[in-house]
Amino acid sequence: EDQVTQSPEALRLQEGESSSLNCSYTVSGLRGLFWYRQDPGKGPEFLFTLYSAGEEKEKERLKATLTKKESFLHITAPKPEDSATYLCAVQAVAGSGGSNYKLTFGKGTLLTVNP
Amino acid sequence: SQTIHQWPATLVQPVGSPLSLECTVEGTSNPNLYWYRQAAGRGLQLLFYSVGIGQISSEVPQNLSASRPQDRQFILSSKKLLLSDSGFYLCAWSALDTQYFGPGTRLTVL
Repeated sequence: EDQVTQSPEALRLQEGESSSLNCSYTVSGLRGLFWYRQDPGKGPEFLFTLYSAGEEKEKERLKATLTKKESFLHITAPKPEDSATYLCAVQAVAGSGGSNYKLTFGKGTLLTVNP
Repeated sequence: SQTIHQWPATLVQPVGSPLSLECTVEGTSNPNLYWYRQAAGRGLQLLFYSVGIGQISSEVPQNLSASRPQDRQFILSSKKLLLSDSGFYLCAWSALDTQYFGPGTRLTVL
């Protein structure tokens, strides 16, 4: 069974204080790893898709990286508007025991950035 | 560009009452459609997905059902709600791998 574990559960930073969120995963064959941002009471907003170990993607103050066992979401010089819950999800390769479309989500990391 | 709508935004229903949540997608054809539930302290749980009209796959056996009467319309239903059905219900669509989520419906069953 595919599993995703995110750590820490909550992270409080001062504005400008860089840090990283971790997403560890277990999947029989990785099709893709996805990062989303979710604000309170809203649906998740897509950030990145990573497909293979060594891949990196950036968007403004966020950079996502991928290894064979985990992914990191690096936040550089965060601002209060970066406060949100960040969700990680994996999608398994078709025929490896999982649905071709199913995303398995972690519980998320609640990030709070204080001014 | 693509847009996904869900309604209602919030709903309070008594135990034993029926449920119908609707999701529609604009700006794309033949999308894959998904229903997720997000409960407090838990990750998003996939309930149903659909690759075409009338084609529904269930991930978790439960009190709910789904239907896709039109290409870009996805409906989540229940004949009799349980307390445990409370949660945040999210609809999503995809063309390839990436899933894009709607604004969600907050359901409270009393």
